[in-house]
Amino acid sequence: DIQMTQSPSSLSASVGERVTITCQASQDISTYLNWYQHKPGQAPKLLIYDASILETGVPSRFSGRGSGTDFTFTISSLQPEDIATYYCQQYDNLFRGTFGQGTKLEI
Amino acid sequence: GQLVQSGAEVKKPGESLKISCKGSGYMFSTNWIGWVRQMPGKGLEWMGIIYPGDSDTRYSPSFQGHVTMSADKSISTAYLQWTSLKASDTAMYFCAKVRQPSGAFDVWGQGTVITVSS
Repeated sequence: DIQMTQSPSSLSASVGERVTITCQASQDISTYLNWYQHKPGQAPKLLIYDASILETGVPSRFSGRGSGTDFTFTISSLQPEDIATYYCQQYDNLFRGTFGQGTKLEI
Repeated sequence: GQLVQSGAEVKKPGESLKISCKGSGYMFSTNWIGWVRQMPGKGLEWMGIIYPGDSDTRYSPSFQGHVTMSADKSISTAYLQWTSLKASDTAMYFCAKVRQPSGAFDVWGQGTVITVSS
């Protein structure tokens, strides 16, 4: 089973600040890495897929990069509406997935 | 596309339960559907996925044997089933459509809250 280690578990930042979250896979997953935003009382929302591809309609301040085992997710300029918990998720060649532990972002 | 889940459930330990997830606006039978659990105050957990076209399933080892996924492509509906609920099954359960080959969940249901209490 592939394990995902996401850090930090929580993060406090100011409006306009650059925010970075990391995710490390326990083995090579190429670019099969996705990022989600989850707000309380809502369904999660896909932001980035295939490590770096921005989902349609998602603001360009969100970005992702990485391949193999190390991945990063960045918000270039934090906005108040970005307050949420963010998750990475891997998908392996057996069609099985795992989420990271999540990063709770606060202002 | 859209996914609409069945309503909240309150059950007793030992009872059985089947919740549903109905798809519309896309080719239901040719897209994998997944299930995600969120226990109270905890993170998202990948449970498994099912291909409605032939009911091929892939379970997370953590959930294998504890739940059963099924699908009826004729009515564009996926199901998640328990034969004997435990208090630890209390959680929000989401269904979501899988975008291949990335494995990303790109369309989500609204979630079904399950409460198991004596």
